[in-house]
Amino acid sequence: EDQVTQSPEALRLQEGESSSLNCSYTVSGLRGLFWYRQDPGKGPEFLFTLYSAGEEKEKERLKATLTKKESFLHITAPKPEDSATYLCAVQAWGGGNKLTFGTGTQLKVEL
Amino acid sequence: DTEVTQTPKHLVMGMTNKKSLKCEQHMGHRAMYWYKQKAKKPPELMFVYSYEKLSINESVPSRFSPECPNSSLLNLHLHALQPEDSALYLCASSQDAPVMNTEAFFGQGTRLTVV
Repeated sequence: EDQVTQSPEALRLQEGESSSLNCSYTVSGLRGLFWYRQDPGKGPEFLFTLYSAGEEKEKERLKATLTKKESFLHITAPKPEDSATYLCAVQAWGGGNKLTFGTGTQLKVEL
Repeated sequence: DTEVTQTPKHLVMGMTNKKSLKCEQHMGHRAMYWYKQKAKKPPELMFVYSYEKLSINESVPSRFSPECPNSSLLNLHLHALQPEDSALYLCASSQDAPVMNTEAFFGQGTRLTVV
């Protein structure tokens, strides 16, 4: 069974204080690993897809990386508007498009 | 345009009511999904439609009945729900095999309260 574990559960940063969120996964043949951002009461917003170990994607202050066992979401010089829950999900070959989500990291960036 | 539109945004229904949630996308996606999300929990898959056919049912109770009338529309029919069914219901869509890019795009959800 596919499993996704995210850490930490919650993270509080000062504005400008860079950090990383972790997503560890176990999947029978990775088709894709996805990062989403979710604001309270809203649907998840797609950020990145990673397909193979060594791949990296960047968008503004966010950078996602992938190894064979885990993915990191690096946040450089965060701003208060980066506060949200960040969700990691995996999709396996033969899984019929099913996404398995981790429990998320709740990030709060303070002034 | 990566928009998935869900209606209504909020719904309050009694346990004997019948209601429907609606979802629409115009991205040409052939996979559509229903997820249920409780507070401070990740989205939990309910159903997947692939090319308008139901491909995954995650053992969802029969009081939830999905329907995919065409490739752009997805409905979730609700009947005789329980208070514990109160949650945020999310619709999503994505491209389907054999395409490589299968990231799912989510709607803003319907906040359902069962009284």
